[in-house]
Amino acid sequence: QQQVKQSPQSLIVQKGGIPIINCAYENTAFDYFPWYQQFPGKGPALLIAIRPDVSEKKEGRFTISFNKSAKQFSLHIMDSQPGDSATYFCAASTGGSQGNLIFGKGTKLSVKP
Amino acid sequence: DGGITQSPKYLFRKEGQNVTLSCEQNLNHDAMYWYRQDPGQGLRLIYYSQIVNDFQKGDIAEGYSVSREKKESFPLTVTSAQKNPTAFYLCASSSGPGGETQYFGPGTRLLVL
Repeated sequence: QQQVKQSPQSLIVQKGGIPIINCAYENTAFDYFPWYQQFPGKGPALLIAIRPDVSEKKEGRFTISFNKSAKQFSLHIMDSQPGDSATYFCAASTGGSQGNLIFGKGTKLSVKP
Repeated sequence: DGGITQSPKYLFRKEGQNVTLSCEQNLNHDAMYWYRQDPGQGLRLIYYSQIVNDFQKGDIAEGYSVSREKKESFPLTVTSAQKNPTAFYLCASSSGPGGETQYFGPGTRLLVL
């Protein structure tokens, strides 16, 4: 019940395409859902995050869609660029003193020029 | 220049040796975390600390030890009991408990000779 399932494992798109990465969870107590971007050999960096009281959040070319009833959330990257090629991780947390982040296994995105 | 620093960038361990990975933050964050990253496995929590002089085991604490004597520092020791230590180790911090909005360091890659 603590798992966050992320798909696909890898994704290849052409420049300008809209890659979509999906995550699903079981624990209805999760109330914070961030996405992290990681380049090879670097630490992950927070990209965008959402809470369950909204269904969508946009920051630049990155959009999170959240479906509370389906217990799913997804990351969309508009007008993708080769510089977006990285590994993306979704995560979830219950907050509070015991609510550590639970990470998905990651999606390796490659954007072809 | 605020952030999280990890050292060294690469570390080599001999059989039966204990090695210590350094993590320092100047963000004035209360909570600090250690993760292990293996290819295709996402990030797995080793230990976390929400306050000085206190720390808790994560999901894969066996073969590791930590200390939190100062707010800024959270070193991780990989002991000889950890039989498969080769991995990318990431330190993170957050301003409060619950793991929300974690900021990551650049990582240390540990290799076994």
